[in-house]
Amino acid sequence: EAQVTQNPRYLITVTGKKLTVTCSQNMNHEYMSWYRQDPGLGLRQIYYSMNVEVTDKGDVPEGYKVSRKEKRNFPLILESPSPNQTSLYFCASRPKPDTLRAFFGQGTRLTVV
Amino acid sequence: KQEVTQIPAALSVPEGENLVLNCSFTDSAIYNLQWFRQDPGKGLTSLLLIQSSQREQTSGRLNASLDKSSGRSTLYIAASQPGDSATYLCAVPYSGTYKYIFGTGTRLKVLA
Repeated sequence: EAQVTQNPRYLITVTGKKLTVTCSQNMNHEYMSWYRQDPGLGLRQIYYSMNVEVTDKGDVPEGYKVSRKEKRNFPLILESPSPNQTSLYFCASRPKPDTLRAFFGQGTRLTVV
Repeated sequence: KQEVTQIPAALSVPEGENLVLNCSFTDSAIYNLQWFRQDPGKGLTSLLLIQSSQREQTSGRLNASLDKSSGRSTLYIAASQPGDSATYLCAVPYSGTYKYIFGTGTRLKVLA
């Protein structure tokens, strides 16, 4: 089944403790991105990747890192999480950057205390 | 800068009603627009995608229209059902990039 898989689905952590949210897609898509969703602010893009080893900042990249060593995986790294990073995170992929339809993961609800 | 607005923010209707969700965008130089559905605690599912050369797209009881000149898209849901209860989001590409800008969504509740 074609899908985008995120792990974990739920995470509660403490300020400053490094964490990684994984994202994997099995559709051989080139374009992958991370979003965070906050009440009243909608979905905002954090980082995106046009292909392997090609990543760039989105609208709200501060406090986040990403890597794209393989086509299928696009992990989101929070080196020193803070409470303002408490949010619902989504990973998404598209076959190519200019392909229209996007596929989304199930989301990761992160709480930083 | 592209801005996307969805009205109303929330909507509650009795089962069987036909309803219209609105999406407005400020930059009409778009090459497509997508409507998504989001269920609580779940990801986004693409419902309809309209390319700039099209005026509307239909899938089952859903029909989406696009009027680039006025910066508007509407999602029409016919004969609404309780299973249609979800948040509906529209998204347009940010001019000159491959990034999508999302509206804040319309939270729909269809009452049985």
